[in-house]
Amino acid sequence: ETGVTQTPRHLVMGMTNKKSLKCEQHLGHNAMYWYKQSAKKPLELMFVYSLEERVENNSVPSRFSPECPNSSHLFLHLHTLQPEDSALYLCASSQGTGYEQYFGPGTRLTVT
Amino acid sequence: RKEVEQDPGPFNVPEGATVAFNCTYSNSASQSFFWYRQDCRKEPKLLMSVYSSGNEDGRFTAQLNRASQYISLLIRDSKLSDSATYLCGPAGKLIFGQGTTLQVKP
Repeated sequence: ETGVTQTPRHLVMGMTNKKSLKCEQHLGHNAMYWYKQSAKKPLELMFVYSLEERVENNSVPSRFSPECPNSSHLFLHLHTLQPEDSALYLCASSQGTGYEQYFGPGTRLTVT
Repeated sequence: RKEVEQDPGPFNVPEGATVAFNCTYSNSASQSFFWYRQDCRKEPKLLMSVYSSGNEDGRFTAQLNRASQYISLLIRDSKLSDSATYLCGPAGKLIFGQGTTLQVKP
């Protein structure tokens, strides 16, 4: 299934590095999302984009910076991360913000 | 109270059993819900959408109880392949419960 793709699938980075996560959806959807999933915790919504405009930012630290250049692509730029930021980062898309979401396979991030 | 709550389990059942678990929600304005299935180390995938009182798809039945503010998922004749974590969430709210883990044993 290639509806929503994410790269890289795994990433190990030091606390002083800068890296970016990429998400691409091939479903013609208008909304895209970033979620964080830590062990034993619910999915945490980070950012929502609808028609390429950010509509929600759930008090995410500024060391996470999203970018949505068009309705098919979403990036999450990372800098100066902390070890507690290690988690699975999931991208999702949907037809609109009230519709069912389709998730990418995620990027498993480890901050050392 | 969390907006969406689920019993994390795990629910351990034998093959062929019927199992049900609930998802409670606090926002009475929520009108429709989604159930997602998440396999270990994989992404969530949509299992069912529930837009009215309930929905049925093969061995899976979801029911919405608005008076008591919960949504249930019933799995009949459970298979080994049903082992996963099941997440629920209200449509439009972009939040999820922590998930209920189901382990189906041979």
